[in-house]
Amino acid sequence: AQKITQTQPGMFVQEKEAVTLDCTYDTSDPSYGLFWYKQPSSGEMIFLIYQGSYDQQNATEGRYSLNFQKARKSANLVISASQLGDSAMYFCAMRERNQGGKLIFGQGTELSVKP
Amino acid sequence: GAVVSQHPSWVICKSGTSVKIECRSLDFQATTMFWYRQFPKQSLMLMATSNEGSKATYEQGVEKDKFLINHASLTLSTLTVTSAHPEDSSFYICSAPKTSGGAETQYFGPGTRLLVL
Repeated sequence: AQKITQTQPGMFVQEKEAVTLDCTYDTSDPSYGLFWYKQPSSGEMIFLIYQGSYDQQNATEGRYSLNFQKARKSANLVISASQLGDSAMYFCAMRERNQGGKLIFGQGTELSVKP
Repeated sequence: GAVVSQHPSWVICKSGTSVKIECRSLDFQATTMFWYRQFPKQSLMLMATSNEGSKATYEQGVEKDKFLINHASLTLSTLTVTSAHPEDSSFYICSAPKTSGGAETQYFGPGTRLLVL
């Protein structure tokens, strides 16, 4: 079974608008962390935001926020005021405490920002 | 600035040769590093966990004799693709966990693109 699911292979958004990238996860470990990374065409993985399973508040980092709904096991990334430079692949990943720190990645979502 | 470096960034080699890729943590120690492989238009797949001073832990389906991992110091892990073949052509990327402000984040190297002819 997929541990991390990103159901949107591709998304388009108009410049300056907000966009939500979906991510759902599956785990029985009560302690886990959720990550979002951006991968531009250069291939580098850029860390965007982190949410711990015990965090009470949704994580925010500048224009990025994570809509964490624990009961629904979803951790959607919200990008506000999209910029052309936001065009890239976006990956959601999970780390389970009982798995030694390794990350399991979703399939990714390709975001295209239109001028 | 970069937190994790990788070398080389590009390598082209002939089939049957071995290729070594280095992953270094910059300004912090990493007792554990992770090696991933990414094929075009696909996600990152974990290959193995590199442990300083002990044997690497390989994911199911990854040949340990083909992908040799050595974690000789607290800042360096190497991945050697032995007897490389065209199907090994891929993007190889390493990561290392770093704790900052009480939170642990995984930082990735810039990746190595391997093309086996």
